[in-house]
Amino acid sequence: DTEVTQTPKHLVMGMTNKKSLKCEQHMGHRAMYWYKQKAKKPPELMFVYSYEKLSINESVPSRFSPECPNSSLLNLHLHALQPEDSALYLCASSLGLAGGGNEQFFGPGTRLTVL
Amino acid sequence: GQNIDQPTEMTATEGAIVQINCTYQTSGFNGLFWYQQHAGEAPTFLSYNVLDGLEEKGRFSSFLSRSKGYSYLLLKELQMKDSASYLCAVDGGATNKLIFGTGTLLAVQP
Repeated sequence: DTEVTQTPKHLVMGMTNKKSLKCEQHMGHRAMYWYKQKAKKPPELMFVYSYEKLSINESVPSRFSPECPNSSLLNLHLHALQPEDSALYLCASSLGLAGGGNEQFFGPGTRLTVL
Repeated sequence: GQNIDQPTEMTATEGAIVQINCTYQTSGFNGLFWYQQHAGEAPTFLSYNVLDGLEEKGRFSSFLSRSKGYSYLLLKELQMKDSASYLCAVDGGATNKLIFGTGTLLAVQP
């Protein structure tokens, strides 16, 4: 199994809703990432988990809350989002952290629309 | 600071060769990745360079010069399916981050 899966593929939510994005990999990777990508822009790093512990938080607003329940799963909990948070949310994983030449494998993303 | 530059858009003809350049200035450097991303899809890995020189992989080759802070991706025998964004990304070393360039949108025309 050499893929990263993400659910849902598409999500539409109101500003008062609470929803979660899910990411899963079974490659034995110990680093997992959340990125946000706006149209025609490169991915922007949001969070990095290493060995199930939060390693990097790129000053992301608290309305985004990551969670890593185990080494295969990564969640992103969403609450009270703003329309400008609409974007493609990408999950990625790698064998180890960047800094060791570790290729990141990306999931297909969740297309989020906030109304 | 971190700065990675690529041309925003390029156009090339089917069957031709195209070179996409990437220049970088980063506080840490442990190697450089190239990713391909089709519209609405996930980035997929193309190449990784850590030493100076050319790495060839089928129709795609990638070059790195660490002293010049420069890399390029060379695509040969272009096909219509090569129309995509090409992302240059620096492995930031001790920062434990992958730093993406602005991306180059390549359009292959018949």
